Amino acid sequence: DTEVTQTPKHLVMGMTNKKSLKCEQHMGHRAMYWYKQKAKKPPELMFVYSYEKLSINESVPSRFSPECPNSSLLNLHLHALQPEDSALYLCASSQDGVGNQPQHFGDGTRLSIL
Amino acid sequence: GQNIDQPTEMTATEGAIVQINCTYQTSGFNGLFWYQQHAGEAPTFLSYNVLDGLEEKGRFSSFLSRSKGYSYLLLKELQMKDSASYLCAVQTGFQKLVFGTGTRLLVSP
Repeated sequence: DTEVTQTPKHLVMGMTNKKSLKCEQHMGHRAMYWYKQKAKKPPELMFVYSYEKLSINESVPSRFSPECPNSSLLNLHLHALQPEDSALYLCASSQDGVGNQPQHFGDGTRLSIL
Repeated sequence: GQNIDQPTEMTATEGAIVQINCTYQTSGFNGLFWYQQHAGEAPTFLSYNVLDGLEEKGRFSSFLSRSKGYSYLLLKELQMKDSASYLCAVQTGFQKLVFGTGTRLLVSP
């Protein structure tokens, strides 16, 4: 079990659906991250929130919309996704992203787009 | 661009020692992390280096040479449960972590 909880664990959706991925941590961390990981590839950074403000957007298409309602929660809203968006979506958190603070990862949501 | 390279796959025997190398050329450097990821699970933190030299943590050690853009992870007394992917990741800027290509390690009896 990890200290970062992601729901749902699996999600299958059509290209016209709207769904959300959720991430929660109770370690008092102030930086939270979304990563995309394709099979047998490393995680790729999508978004970073620092003190509940979006600090990094790695040129992610607008069909992915992040939201940070409070310091413990991070959402990723999905709309009109493409089949190539099928991947494992990982959430992570760290104290505030400075220096030697490791990121703690959740187990991810495995997303399949039909 | 950012290049962080690792061998794709390695095999080793239970009880042996294995060294996983990582070479990097990045636009910034604020430290290097090693993570372990079992199939279908979250990456878990193993070690962090920001100064040159060796950091030891039980059966795991990590080495960094900033001038050579090189790091390695050394795993001693290998166990079957060490079969996993090992990810080298460079902190290229504030809050920004770029992962290497990853190394799949298979430990056999």
